[in-house]
Amino acid sequence: GAVVSQHPSWVICKSGTSVKIECRSLDFQATTMFWYRQFPKQSLMLMATSNEGSKATYEQGVEKDKFLINHASLTLSTLTVTSAHPEDSSFYICSATPRGQGFVGGYTFGSGTRLTVV
Amino acid sequence: AQSVAQPEDQVNVAEGNPLTVKCTYSVSGNPYLFWYVQYPNRGLQFLLKYITGDNLVKGSYGFEAEFNKSQTSFHLKKPSALVSDSALYFCAVIKAAGNKLTFGGGTRVLVKP
Repeated sequence: GAVVSQHPSWVICKSGTSVKIECRSLDFQATTMFWYRQFPKQSLMLMATSNEGSKATYEQGVEKDKFLINHASLTLSTLTVTSAHPEDSSFYICSATPRGQGFVGGYTFGSGTRLTVV
Repeated sequence: AQSVAQPEDQVNVAEGNPLTVKCTYSVSGNPYLFWYVQYPNRGLQFLLKYITGDNLVKGSYGFEAEFNKSQTSFHLKKPSALVSDSALYFCAVIKAAGNKLTFGGGTRVLVKP
């Protein structure tokens, strides 16, 4: 089945530094990937839609200059948290669906990245 | 707009008893519905989906869900719960012609031995 690999699983960084999170589709191509943020004991909040070869589409209220998304290939999307601050600490999850299948194919999720900014 | 409601924050059930996790949705047009399970510090695992066809959908690990259009519900069920089913469950909806999943708030299931 479709597998999405997310790396790193957890990261601790100092306030003011930047952190890059990778999301890879291992056995399928994905023209679209999605990035979510999850606060403790809360649901997933869609941050942005990552489109291969074009700019990401951000949800309302998400700072695009702070959360940089790059989808340079059909198997890789990256989320960079720039100038991270403690309030950016959260669990970040990506998801993807096989190219051409849309939602019918179901969305596969990465295992998530726990970001802690100190 | 589309939305999903999971009215119960937590469901407690004894091992071997039936498990039900409730979900209601609101969407314009035909809904496509999904259930996912999340274990601590992990991503979401797909359980099942309703796209079209039979209202009763069977999924992974013995779970099933019934699409009820009149009640706008998609409750998740398992006839006999296991301790290992203890996790966080999310219902999600996407509208026809859309591609963004909207998640419910999640329901924590605790199965006691």
